[in-house]
Amino acid sequence: AQSVTQLGSHVSVSEGALVLLRCNYSSSVPPYLFWYVQYPNQGLQLLLKYTSAATLVKGINGFEAEFKKSETSFHLTKPSAHMSDAAEYFCAVTSRRGTSYGKLTFGQGTILTVHP
Amino acid sequence: KAGVTQTPRYLIKTRGQQVTLSCSPISGHRSVSWYQQTPGQGLQFLFEYFSETQRNKGNFPGRFSGRQFSNSRSEMNVSTLELGDSALYLCASSLGGAAGGQETQYFGPGTRLLVL
Repeated sequence: AQSVTQLGSHVSVSEGALVLLRCNYSSSVPPYLFWYVQYPNQGLQLLLKYTSAATLVKGINGFEAEFKKSETSFHLTKPSAHMSDAAEYFCAVTSRRGTSYGKLTFGQGTILTVHP
Repeated sequence: KAGVTQTPRYLIKTRGQQVTLSCSPISGHRSVSWYQQTPGQGLQFLFEYFSETQRNKGNFPGRFSGRQFSNSRSEMNVSTLELGDSALYLCASSLGGAAGGQETQYFGPGTRLLVL
């Protein structure tokens, strides 16, 4: 079975400050990892994904994440927060296994608030 | 390319009724996954369809069912609605090829169901 833990249900930063959203995963097989963002009353939008190529993954809107197998982590970072980054962020895991086809296992989400 | 569309966007039903939600995937995508999002349980996988066949299923009661048509459009049905079925129902589409789990799932805006 696979699982994801997002540390911190709410994160608050000032505009221009570093954004760090934490994600730890559990998987008995090599994982594929994703970060999605959800704005109010909208669906989920992919920010970036790790699929066993480079461990440092760059995504849209200046976000990046680093896959660390030894720490089973896939934390999301952005050097400088913008007001428009305020949203809920979800980390998700899946794998190549047939039992994972079409199935993303999500963390509980982290609501990011950006203060002026 | 048009994105994933879901209809209706909002729905109000009463306990005991049944409901059908529709999802049209991105053109060329053959896999459709369904998720339930609630404040308490977060995002949970319902099932996935590929080429009109259910390929994967989450841990939901049999009241939740789905199907996929030859044009890849999908519907999900919930029978004998309960108050706890109130949620945002999201569908996501992907190519569904041999790459399996590493394919990006593209989400629709969701259908918000309220059960009274």
